[in-house]
Amino acid sequence: DAGVIQSPRHEVTEMGQEVTLRCKPISGHNSLFWYRQTMMRGLELLIYFNNNVPIDDSGMPEDRFSAKMPNASFSTLKIQPSEPRDSAVYFCASSLNDRGYGYTFGSGTRLTVV
Amino acid sequence: GENVEQHPSTLSVQEGDSAVIKCTYSDSASNYFPWYKQELGKGPQLIIDIRSNVGEKKDQRIAVTLNKTAKHFSLHITETQPEDSAVYFCAASERSDFGTGTRLTIIP
Repeated sequence: DAGVIQSPRHEVTEMGQEVTLRCKPISGHNSLFWYRQTMMRGLELLIYFNNNVPIDDSGMPEDRFSAKMPNASFSTLKIQPSEPRDSAVYFCASSLNDRGYGYTFGSGTRLTVV
Repeated sequence: GENVEQHPSTLSVQEGDSAVIKCTYSDSASNYFPWYKQELGKGPQLIIDIRSNVGEKKDQRIAVTLNKTAKHFSLHITETQPEDSAVYFCAASERSDFGTGTRLTIIP
């Protein structure tokens, strides 16, 4: 398996623009997680899905952020409109399920909003 | 959610010596404790985990110990090598709440 695949690896965008981050989880994994990593706040869980259904989105910072998982092999995280404070590395991770299994992380998307 | 504290935030160790990183957690219901290693420019990678019915687990030079009564667990790396230099994260609970990370530097 190629692991968790994220795209793009780097994204530079202007404030106010829409940004879409993409993730392909490991085949057979039923849980998918979106994390944001910054120096100040470390790794923050934004949202997670179980069997394509959003279970907990309490970590989503505000309405500008949205996430979807239309099928078992694809998820998106969208920011609209983007702001400079959204600059961070965004990680997608997948797991067999959400009960006591380790995560496999993707390589992340480094987002810079100028 | 779970409150996970991790210490130290930075650690420098002479090559060949041992390194220990400690974490404490608050939720007594937590029963899964993974450790991740993050190298520069990469995502965290699971290196070892332990469940609450086990007190210690070892995998070559890496070991994790768990004290459920005291609500703390530790990562032990023996015979450290330069490639062990990275940031290490602990996590607790079924949906991993991560510690703040420890930057480990191995001095050749």
